[in-house]
Amino acid sequence: DTEVTQTPKHLVMGMTNKKSLKCEQHMGHRAMYWYKQKAKKPPELMFVYSYEKLSINESVPSRFSPECPNSSLLNLHLHALQPEDSALYLCASSHARQGLSGANVLTFGAGSRLTVL
Amino acid sequence: TQLLEQSPQFLSIQEGENLTVYCNSSSVFSSLQWYRQEPGEGPVLLVTVVTGGEVKKLKRLTFQFGDARKDSSLHITAAQPGDTGLYLCAAGGATNKLIFGTGTLLAVQP
Repeated sequence: DTEVTQTPKHLVMGMTNKKSLKCEQHMGHRAMYWYKQKAKKPPELMFVYSYEKLSINESVPSRFSPECPNSSLLNLHLHALQPEDSALYLCASSHARQGLSGANVLTFGAGSRLTVL
Repeated sequence: TQLLEQSPQFLSIQEGENLTVYCNSSSVFSSLQWYRQEPGEGPVLLVTVVTGGEVKKLKRLTFQFGDARKDSSLHITAAQPGDTGLYLCAAGGATNKLIFGTGTLLAVQP
């Protein structure tokens, strides 16, 4: 299995709602990532988990709460979001240890497109 | 902060034309990756370049890593509509921190 599966593909929520984005991989990768991507822009790193522990938080507002229940799953809990949080949220995974050729290669899911009303 | 600047930002060409996308930085990288992202999908790795001066070919795509490992280029020969997408260079900073370039949006018209 060489895929990263993200659900849901589309999500519309109000500013008072609580929702979650889910991500799953079965490649044995021990690093998992959340990126946020606005239209026609590059992905922006939000969080990195390494061996199920949060290793990088790029100063993301607390209304985004990541969770890594086990080595195959990554969640992003959403609460009290703003309309400007509307974006494509990409999950990715990779080997946790950097290879000899430098930065690890990321395998991305297709993303969850979030619209905040 | 490490910045990866790509140029051009947007490119619209006719099928059959050639093009080159550039990725530049003031930092030295141990390696650099190129990804392509098609509409509705996540980025997909095209190639990793590791050695300064390295040239890699992937069918009609040619990737080059600068001698000083600060820059890279992607050349597409005889572009096809299927080449349409967002092209992203990427490099690692701290462990597991992959940073993307500013992106080049390519549209190939039939």
